[in-house]
Amino acid sequence: DAGVTQSPTHLIKTRGQQVTLRCSPKSGHDTVSWYQQALGQGPQFIFQYYEEEERQRGNFPDRFSGHQFPNYSSELNVNALLLGDSALYLCASSLGLAGGYEQYFGPGTRLTVT
Amino acid sequence: GQSLEQPSEVTAVEGAIVQINCTYQTSGFYGLSWYQQHDGGAPTFLSYNALDGLEETGRFSSFLSRSDSYGYLLLQELQMKDSASYFCAVRGPDQTGANNLFFGTGTRLTVIP
Repeated sequence: DAGVTQSPTHLIKTRGQQVTLRCSPKSGHDTVSWYQQALGQGPQFIFQYYEEEERQRGNFPDRFSGHQFPNYSSELNVNALLLGDSALYLCASSLGLAGGYEQYFGPGTRLTVT
Repeated sequence: GQSLEQPSEVTAVEGAIVQINCTYQTSGFYGLSWYQQHDGGAPTFLSYNALDGLEETGRFSSFLSRSDSYGYLLLQELQMKDSASYFCAVRGPDQTGANNLFFGTGTRLTVIP
């Protein structure tokens, strides 16, 4: 049973650049949520995708955007990178919008902005 | 808005019992989840309480009191591998209306021999 996978594992970008992170959900799951986790903090909700639409969005600027594909995989795009965007980006999948209390997380992408 | 409070660090002895408390303030509430995260790893789901009372899953139990806006995670027969960060997370609408998980800052549990 394939779990949640994310790529790349690590990424180093320069301030002002753009980045795309990728996520494949756990087999059988159709809902993908993205989180940002700063060092020593809990994950912060960015947005959630279901049926290829952004269904929910946390308190993040429009520089953060995403997409969900017909196979339920998802991308997170961040434009005009800031130093403060350096964090671990986690993708989590669940079954349907109502299953959001039990989410399966991927290993994350460690983004460093210099 | 939403806020959750947990102790930042807890230390306990192998084989003992430890309780990690979580109090929350939220404008909307559907339930309280608990997640475990080892250093360098991904958060993993432990339990969910939507109703008052105790939920037991093996060595782990979780309790919720909606009237007190309080919950706790109880870990029994502690093992060294239980050393990790534990997050409580509220499921409910935030100030943007997003209905998803809002995580606390986590409790770092250290199990000593």
